Amino acid sequence: AQSVAQPEDQVNVAEGNPLTVKCTYSVSGNPYLFWYVQYPNRGLQFLLKYITGDNLVKGSYGFEAEFNKSQTSFHLKKPSALVSDSALYFCAVRDQAGTALIFGKGTTLSVSS
Amino acid sequence: NAGVTQTPKFQVLKTGQSMTLQCAQDMNHNSMYWYRQDPGMGLRLIYYSASEGTTDKGEVPNGYNVSRLNKREFSLRLESAAPSQTSVYFCASSGAGASEGEYFGPGTRLTVL
Repeated sequence: AQSVAQPEDQVNVAEGNPLTVKCTYSVSGNPYLFWYVQYPNRGLQFLLKYITGDNLVKGSYGFEAEFNKSQTSFHLKKPSALVSDSALYFCAVRDQAGTALIFGKGTTLSVSS
Repeated sequence: NAGVTQTPKFQVLKTGQSMTLQCAQDMNHNSMYWYRQDPGMGLRLIYYSASEGTTDKGEVPNGYNVSRLNKREFSLRLESAAPSQTSVYFCASSGAGASEGEYFGPGTRLTVL
């Protein structure tokens, strides 16, 4: 069965510092991996996805994610955090035969000024 | 392009009442989904529809029914609402292929008293 783990409920970082939001997954075969962001009282917005190829994927708002097959991880990163990055972040996975995305429980990112 | 739209935005029901949540997309997507979001639990799939005329159960289908009215519209019905169904409900859609991400609506915040 497919699953996604986001081991941190909350990540706190100071503005200007690099940030990492962790995600590990379990899926049969090659995974399709996604990151979404949710701002308060809003729907989920797509940030980036990994399909195949380069392990470093670049997405919206300066975010990037690194796919590591041996560690079954897909961590979200940003070199310099902004206060406006404060939000709830979800990692999701789907296998190649899958239907709906399977989501992690989410990580709240709090960036302080 | 409105993307994915949901109505209503907010609803309060009494236990035992019924209601239908409406969802429509204008992206010509084949697949549509209903999720519920509860604090600390991420998004859980209620039902999905891979194409017009087909629907399948997700992780938490009990107490819900769905209708894929046409390619654009996918409704979720609560026949007899229970307090455990208090949640935020999101509709999503995606194009063909497992590598496609899902596009989310703004959500419906439902409270069952």
